[in-house]
Amino acid sequence: NAGVIQTPRHKVTGKGQEATLWCEPISGHSAVFWYRQTIVQGLEFLTYFRNQAPIDDSGMPKERFSAQMPNQSHSTLKIQSTQPQDSAVYLCASSLGTGVNQDTQYFGPGTRLLVL
Amino acid sequence: QQKVQQSPESLIVPEGGMASLNCTSSDRNVDYFWWYRQHSGKSPKMLMSIFSNGEKEEGRFTVHLNKASLHTSLHIRDSQPSDSALYLCAASPNYAQGLTFGLGTRVSVFP
Repeated sequence: NAGVIQTPRHKVTGKGQEATLWCEPISGHSAVFWYRQTIVQGLEFLTYFRNQAPIDDSGMPKERFSAQMPNQSHSTLKIQSTQPQDSAVYLCASSLGTGVNQDTQYFGPGTRLLVL
Repeated sequence: QQKVQQSPESLIVPEGGMASLNCTSSDRNVDYFWWYRQHSGKSPKMLMSIFSNGEKEEGRFTVHLNKASLHTSLHIRDSQPSDSALYLCAASPNYAQGLTFGLGTRVSVFP
């Protein structure tokens, strides 16, 4: 079991550029979550898919951020016109989504995004 | 204001000692609590979960939950240097839902 895979591990973009982050959930997991972690704000929920359908995007900034899950094996988080305040570690997590085993969320290694 | 408050912010514990961490949710809809541990430079890993009033023990780790006060605590006995990490409390109204995390308690265990 390779765990949750995230690519790239590090990304540096210039202000105003676009950044696309990729996540491959654990095989068999139907729920995929995106979080953002900074020193000041801590770990914040962004959005959540179950069986590829968007369920809750209450944590997503309404402008510039979007997430998709085109198939069960990967999800993407896209940030348009990146700003320095978008600099953070973006974490993807997956869970069974069925309530079994208290539905533990398993986190990937994260993508460290730096916007200059 | 954070909906999940953790205290203390940091804790220094001697090897072999006891560490006690606290977490309270201000969201009355919360029904599920998790404790995650995050070593420096790594991603969070689930340590323990508790969904019912009372106590749950796994090895050196014990969690308590009081649903009436929405307060949970994590106790680490016989602390080891490998326990040095950021401990994050998370809460949710339901399973398989986005978690709300506190800012964490940074535990340092010195030999």
